[in-house]
Amino acid sequence: AQSVAQPEDQVNVAEGNPLTVKCTYSVSGNPYLFWYVQYPNRGLQFLLKYITGDNLVKGSYGFEAEFNKSQTSFHLKKPSALVSDSALYFCAVSYGAGANNLFFGTGTRLTVIP
Amino acid sequence: EADIYQTPRYLVIGTGKKITLECSQTMGHDKMYWYQQDPGMELHLIHYSYGVNSTEKGDLSSESTVSRIRTEHFPLTLESARPSHTSQYLCASSEGRSHEQYFGPGTRLTVT
Repeated sequence: AQSVAQPEDQVNVAEGNPLTVKCTYSVSGNPYLFWYVQYPNRGLQFLLKYITGDNLVKGSYGFEAEFNKSQTSFHLKKPSALVSDSALYFCAVSYGAGANNLFFGTGTRLTVIP
Repeated sequence: EADIYQTPRYLVIGTGKKITLECSQTMGHDKMYWYQQDPGMELHLIHYSYGVNSTEKGDLSSESTVSRIRTEHFPLTLESARPSHTSQYLCASSEGRSHEQYFGPGTRLTVT
């Protein structure tokens, strides 16, 4: 069965510093990996995805994520955090072609401190 | 901005009432999903549909039911609401073989 883990419930970072939000996955096969962001009282917004190809994926709002097959990780990163990046971030995994259902992690609350 | 809509955005109802949460998308996506999310917590898939007249239960058992009579419409119904149904309900859709899902703004339901 596929699953995804976000080991940190909360990440705090100072504005202007680099940020990392961690995600590890477990699937039997080639994973399709996603990051979504949720602002208060809103639905989820798509940030980026890894399907195949380059391990470094660039997404919206200056975010990027690195797929590491040996470590089964897909950490979200940004070189310089903004206060407006403060939100709830979800990692998700989908298994293989034709399986469109997403399995979400428990979420990580990112707080960027001015 | 994705063209997927949910109404109502907020709903407070009494125990035992029947309610329907509406979800519509104008993107022509064949796949649609319902998730349940407690505030600030993970999402749990409760229903999904791969097309008209197709509905399946998700990973989390739910007393709600869904229907998919039209491609663009995927309503969720609770026949008799209970306080345990208090939660946020998120609708999403995706196209063909794409795994990227587009989410609506959610309905926050409170059952008193």
